[in-house]
Amino acid sequence: SAVISQKPSRDICQRGTSLTIQCQVDSQVTMMFWYRQQPGQSLTLIATANQGSEATYESGFVIDKFPISRPNLTFSTLTVSNMSPEDSSIYLCSVEVGQGELFFGEGSRLTVL
Amino acid sequence: AQTVTQSQPEMSVQEAETVTLSCTYDTSESNYYLFWYKQPPSRQMILVIRQEAYKQQNATENRFSVNFQKAAKSFSLKISDSQLGDTAMYFCAFSPRTYKYIFGTGTRLKVLA
Repeated sequence: SAVISQKPSRDICQRGTSLTIQCQVDSQVTMMFWYRQQPGQSLTLIATANQGSEATYESGFVIDKFPISRPNLTFSTLTVSNMSPEDSSIYLCSVEVGQGELFFGEGSRLTVL
Repeated sequence: AQTVTQSQPEMSVQEAETVTLSCTYDTSESNYYLFWYKQPPSRQMILVIRQEAYKQQNATENRFSVNFQKAAKSFSLKISDSQLGDTAMYFCAFSPRTYKYIFGTGTRLKVLA
């Protein structure tokens, strides 16, 4: 199993600003995943972060908007840049442990005014 | 394209009754994993049950069981003796390989006292 801590748990931000979300895992993992969950919607994968290399972004997500850092095997950050109200979502960090099981952080609920 | 469909946006069930949540998926893969995840109002997503496609026996975890029909590409979740704590959003997910997960749109389940 894995215990994942995300910070902040929630924030209210002004349009045009940026926010960095931190994700800390209690064990070393190869890949970390960042998901977005818009209100009432399912989970959409933003990117996969591998330690020591650039993150791999899914279609519709770009590094300039969602820069990701992965400095070591237990930590990652996701920045939401130049925010607009459309970025209001829950952002979830997750890791895969063992064969085919994802563990999730509690999520970061972001509201952009 | 690989997709996961949950046709029931919302459901309700009386406490102590049984409820079944539906999920269908589309894939050309022969081996994969299927999951049901639960997201309570507190937001943290947790794994409820997992099924490996090559296993014919349906997975069971206490009050939770699945009906896996590989040929029909169907993967329903049955919750027996429903409890108030089962109130949550339930997501069906499909994983064709390591690090790849596809989520359905979710079913909001409310257990009524």
